[in-house]
Parts: sequence; C-alpha cells; structure tokens
Amino acid sequence: DPKIIQKPKYLVAVTGSEKILICEQYLGHNAMYWYRQSAKKPLEFMFSYSYQKLMDNQTASSRFQPQSSKKNHLDLQITALKPDDSATYFCASSQDAGGILAEQFFGPGTRLTVL
Amino acid sequence: GDQVEQSPSALSLHEGTGSALRCNFTTTMRAVQWFQQNSRGSLINLFYLASGTKENGRLKSTFNSKESYSTLHIRDAQLEDSGTYFCAARTTGNTGKLIFGLGTTLQVQP
Repeated sequence: DPKIIQKPKYLVAVTGSEKILICEQYLGHNAMYWYRQSAKKPLEFMFSYSYQKLMDNQTASSRFQPQSSKKNHLDLQITALKPDDSATYFCASSQDAGGILAEQFFGPGTRLTVL
Repeated sequence: GDQVEQSPSALSLHEGTGSALRCNFTTTMRAVQWFQQNSRGSLINLFYLASGTKENGRLKSTFNSKESYSTLHIRDAQLEDSGTYFCAARTTGNTGKLIFGLGTTLQVQP
C-alpha cells in the first residue's frame, strides 16, 4: 500500500485558473513538505510544516498556499496559474523536521501542466 | 546561498563495473540523503546519513560534514541501477529543508 498518496497524478490547467494538489501520508509522521521539480532545474524546496505549523516558506509567490486540515494532510493550493508553474510537485514527510528522525520520504508526485 | 554541487552529471557503466558519485556542499550541512529517481519519476530512498558511512548491498555512501562532501559508490552495476541519482543536503536550521543537487544520470549497459 502506498504510504504517501498524491492526487491527482496528472493535472492539466489553463492559465489563470486555480488548482489544489492533494497529499496524504500514512507513515505517522509529524513533518510534511512540498518540493517542485521543473525541467532542467534541481528539485526545489517550497514549504515545510511541523505539527501542522508552517516552519519554512521558500516560495516567493503568495499564489502558492499550503493547507493542512489534518495532521497527515498537506495540500497545495495554486492560484492564478502560469505556464511557468508547469512542473512535478512532490510531497514528502519525515518523523520530525529538525531532529535525528528527519529522513524524508517522497510521494509519487503530481505532474502539472499549465497551458 | 547554500548549494549542492553534484558530479558527474552523466555516467555510463558496463554491467559489473562500478563508480562513485560525489556531492560538494558550499556550507556546513547537518545530514545528506541519496535518492534514485526511476523511469516513472519516483524518488527512492537510498541512504540517510548524519555522519560516517553506510552500506546497503552494492551501494555505499559516506558523509563528511567537516569537509562538506558526500559520496555514493556503486559496485557491480546492474541494468536496473539505471536512472538519475540525487543527493540532497539538510541545512543547519530546524525546518527540514533539503537542498538537492542537479543529479547524475546513470546508464548501465550490458
């Protein structure tokens, strides 16, 4: 059974629209993260949450908003979509964010294409 | 800013041979993770090291935080080892942020 679920697997959106990427983890972890992988760029850290609280935000744009409705959920809302937002978005989790149990495990990703 | 320099960018091996991948860090990092990204795009955990050396089958990894580098050794390469390998370093803060290298694309040939 998959331990980190991301939905949908593929997503096509039009410029200017809004989408929500879903992430659920069943590892019992307390920290969750979002990363983005674009063509010809390294995987980029976006956000980290610990016990449902924002720990770090490295995303310059407020169009990206994480939403944590439950401890094991961290969704990503993206508004006013642009073609440059096209990427694969990975959710990850770890037992804790800053201690020795910080090994991160990644979900399968959501591939977003903005037309 | 904090950066991870990964080399080589591409590597071709014949089955049964081996090589090493390396990541250099521009600042002190707390830990390093190594991943393999397979053809479906999934990131598979290989190692997590806060220091020292770990070995798992044909793979061995070392993290030297004082000298700011990590290595991943692959021996007796198999066809299924093909893929892209990433190192990711955890920064010194407590936010869990990982900084990724650009990756090494490994092709194993018969």
